[in-house]
Amino acid sequence: TQLLEQSPQFLSIQEGENLTVYCNSSSVFSSLQWYRQEPGEGPVLLVTVVTGGEVKKLKRLTFQFGDARKDSSLHITAAQPGDTGLYLCAGAGNAGNMLTFGGGTRLMVKP
Amino acid sequence: DSGVTQTPKHLITATGQRVTLRCSPRSGDLSVYWYQQSLDQGLQFLIQYYNGEERAKGNILERFSAQQFPDLHSELNLSSLELGDSALYFCASLVWGTPPSYEQYFGPGTRLTVT
Repeated sequence: TQLLEQSPQFLSIQEGENLTVYCNSSSVFSSLQWYRQEPGEGPVLLVTVVTGGEVKKLKRLTFQFGDARKDSSLHITAAQPGDTGLYLCAGAGNAGNMLTFGGGTRLMVKP
Repeated sequence: DSGVTQTPKHLITATGQRVTLRCSPRSGDLSVYWYQQSLDQGLQFLIQYYNGEERAKGNILERFSAQQFPDLHSELNLSSLELGDSALYFCASLVWGTPPSYEQYFGPGTRLTVT
């Protein structure tokens, strides 16, 4: 069974601060996705990383896939209240079509 | 808008009852995944269908069942409901991203409250 551990579980910061969320596993994933979910809504796909060592940027968000494809990080620069939400990482196994979700990081950015 | 639709948005029912949740995947997508998300919990995979056939099972209770119809919409049936079944239920549609990645697009969910 592939497991993904996210840390921290909760994060409360002030507007303008930087933060990093980690997603770790002992298993290798063929790809890894990051989702953001707002209360009462479905998760929305932010990015997919595929290659070990890959870095992708989405405005103030930077996503990195570990060299061994076992871990990933999400870094947010100058967080804004609109970044508040639940961030989920999900890894795809060798078959590619099954995702294992991490437990999520609940982020609150205070104005 | 992910293109995945789910009905109803909210459902309130009593213990012991049976309900049906409906999902339509994105146009052209053959796969449907069902997930359960309890309060402050991550997503728990329940079951996957591909073109009408069950492909994978996760932590789905025997009281729960699902099916996918020829028009590709799917229904999740929950019976003998218990208080602990109160949760958000999501379905997702699978698309091929940059190979070898697959990406799942989620519907807005159905919030089930069992009283």
